[in-house]
Amino acid sequence: DAKTTQPPSMDCAEGRAANLPCNHSTISGNEYVYWYRQIHSQGPQYIIHGLKNNETNEMASLIITEDRKSSTLILPHATLRDTAVYYCIVRSPTYTGANSKLTFGKGITLSVRP
Amino acid sequence: SAVISQKPSRDICQRGTSLTIQCQVDSQVTMMFWYRQQPGQSLTLIATANQGSEATYESGFVIDKFPISRPNLTFSTLTVSNMSPEDSSIYLCSAGDRGGTGELFFGEGSRLTVL
Repeated sequence: DAKTTQPPSMDCAEGRAANLPCNHSTISGNEYVYWYRQIHSQGPQYIIHGLKNNETNEMASLIITEDRKSSTLILPHATLRDTAVYYCIVRSPTYTGANSKLTFGKGITLSVRP
Repeated sequence: SAVISQKPSRDICQRGTSLTIQCQVDSQVTMMFWYRQQPGQSLTLIATANQGSEATYESGFVIDKFPISRPNLTFSTLTVSNMSPEDSSIYLCSAGDRGGTGELFFGEGSRLTVL
């Protein structure tokens, strides 16, 4: 079972920031938070990941709360091409077994409107 | 990042036949996985493809139905055996390295339709 909960859907206006929340209250100390997205008819695309510090790359920013029980993915200037299903996943990259698997929940469908 | 190529990208198959999907990674990777995505659903992990040993299957998936090979660190195959219409899905290959930052990358998927 997925260890994260996300709202089923949200929308935002093109050019505005999209803030996608994720709860992971049972995250353990060796697990990272990963975000992927899946644009229709494509394979999932890696976006960003983090352990406890905020992270930023060319695609997005990841804000993780101090207690690590929740996080927010921020797309600073959403475009129509960002319309996709976004998956928040917790995983340990170094251990074998269940903790190392990438287990997908239902994700959140982001719709960017013109 | 790893580039993952899958063949075929799509196919239409007859009930009772089997189809083998190939996954090629452009670099050596320690981990390879196979997923299934049924229409309108999220991804479900089928198995971990282990190099040089038998694959590790998730609950609900068995080797007789989904035999997997992984002869080296860049290639794997998934066979969908004795197909039925319920096997109509997208099958995705994923790969990456254990340790480090641990990103996993995905192919574009193989869309199977079983008639």
